[in-house]
Amino acid sequence: QQPVQSPQAVILREGEDAVINCSSSKALYSVHWYRQKHGEAPVFLMILLKGGEQKGHEKISASFNEKKQQSSLYLTASQLSYSGTYFCGTEIPDTGNQFYFGTGTSLTVIP
Amino acid sequence: EAQVTQNPRYLITVTGKKLTVTCSQNMNHEYMSWYRQDPGLGLRQIYYSMNVEVTDKGDVPEGYKVSRKEKRNFPLILESPSPNQTSLYFCASMISGGDYEQYFGPGTRLTVT
Repeated sequence: QQPVQSPQAVILREGEDAVINCSSSKALYSVHWYRQKHGEAPVFLMILLKGGEQKGHEKISASFNEKKQQSSLYLTASQLSYSGTYFCGTEIPDTGNQFYFGTGTSLTVIP
Repeated sequence: EAQVTQNPRYLITVTGKKLTVTCSQNMNHEYMSWYRQDPGLGLRQIYYSMNVEVTDKGDVPEGYKVSRKEKRNFPLILESPSPNQTSLYFCASMISGGDYEQYFGPGTRLTVT
């Protein structure tokens, strides 16, 4: 039931772009994106509710495909502060209100 | 300040010694949840609660208990901890179902020897 994230890890130089994907075999109610710095709690980035939705700003944005089975997080012109582990999270229909997180993507930005 | 608090932040205990990790939120949220985080496995939900006196199992409920007697509090109880429950635990809350952001507590690092 857990969403599958890819890649598992990525290393970027400052200024480079990255895309993190989150996929499910079933349509999802919504997709949440969180970032977690080492040793800290996850912090909410954004939530997408509708198929075809795109959200965010110039630097960090996300999309949710029409079938609501895949979401992508786009990090543009990365900064050192973007380093951390990124998680997608969702509720899956027919599982009540249980919440599932993906396994995470470790992103490291180097100078 | 809107926040989720957890106590203790760090705990080292021995196998079989009952313990409770407290969680409290000041945002009047209906939904509260406990997660454990292990390397390579991400965040896995242990239990969640949609409201007072309503609790449900998440993905990994074995060995844990919860209660929701008041809206703001959602303690996690380990009746007989075992070494495989060594983990980083997070409490979280949100307004209601999955259409809203979750607010996380600072985490409790538990070691069971």
